[in-house]
Amino acid sequence: DAGITQSPRHKVTETGTPVTLRCHQTENHRYMYWYRQDPGHGLRLIHYSYGVKDTDKGEVSDGYSVSRSKTEDFLLTLESATSSQTSVYFCAISEPGGPYNEQFFGPGTRLTVL
Amino acid sequence: AQSVTQLDSQVPVFEEAPVELRCNYSSSVSVYLFWYVQYPNQGLQLLLKYLSGSTLVKGINGFEAEFNKSQTSFHLRKPSVHISDTAEYFCAVSPGGGGGADGLTFGKGTHLIIQP
Repeated sequence: DAGITQSPRHKVTETGTPVTLRCHQTENHRYMYWYRQDPGHGLRLIHYSYGVKDTDKGEVSDGYSVSRSKTEDFLLTLESATSSQTSVYFCAISEPGGPYNEQFFGPGTRLTVL
Repeated sequence: AQSVTQLDSQVPVFEEAPVELRCNYSSSVSVYLFWYVQYPNQGLQLLLKYLSGSTLVKGINGFEAEFNKSQTSFHLRKPSVHISDTAEYFCAVSPGGGGGADGLTFGKGTHLIIQP
């Protein structure tokens, strides 16, 4: 399995509070991604990073920000959590042009916003 | 922009029977295609992928898929399913020209239910 960890694995928070989710990789892959998974929607891309301090928006980026100060860490922040952000969040990594050309996924973080 | 349609949200199949999970995509550029499997309370695991070359792709756990450019389809098949194949299956696409760098666009998933 690719070396991807996510923390925390479960979190319950209240509306209006800030939340930060962490993705950590040991594969030295250049690209990292944040997705959210919701019933009936599959997975949708929130943000991605193509290098340290280089990030871009995905399909559902409103209400989320990201930061990447080191190759191995990609943080997802909800500045003021809302109930609509209750979801399962997955981090993924890839190394484009490499032998695999695929994304490897972490175990996920289940976030509940009350 | 790409989009992916998984035509069935749920597919019940008897154990040892064959199964086909359907996936259609739309894109104005060449694409890479993927099938991922998600077992309960777990992350996503790659089953197989089509990048180029042979249109029949074989993956793990006895699954295979065929890329059909004219029908813009990438259906997943297994000749004989096992109870352990019960899971959610996701079809995904990314632009081929991006070298795999772009985020994936996923279908909504198909829940495969294996009945004894």
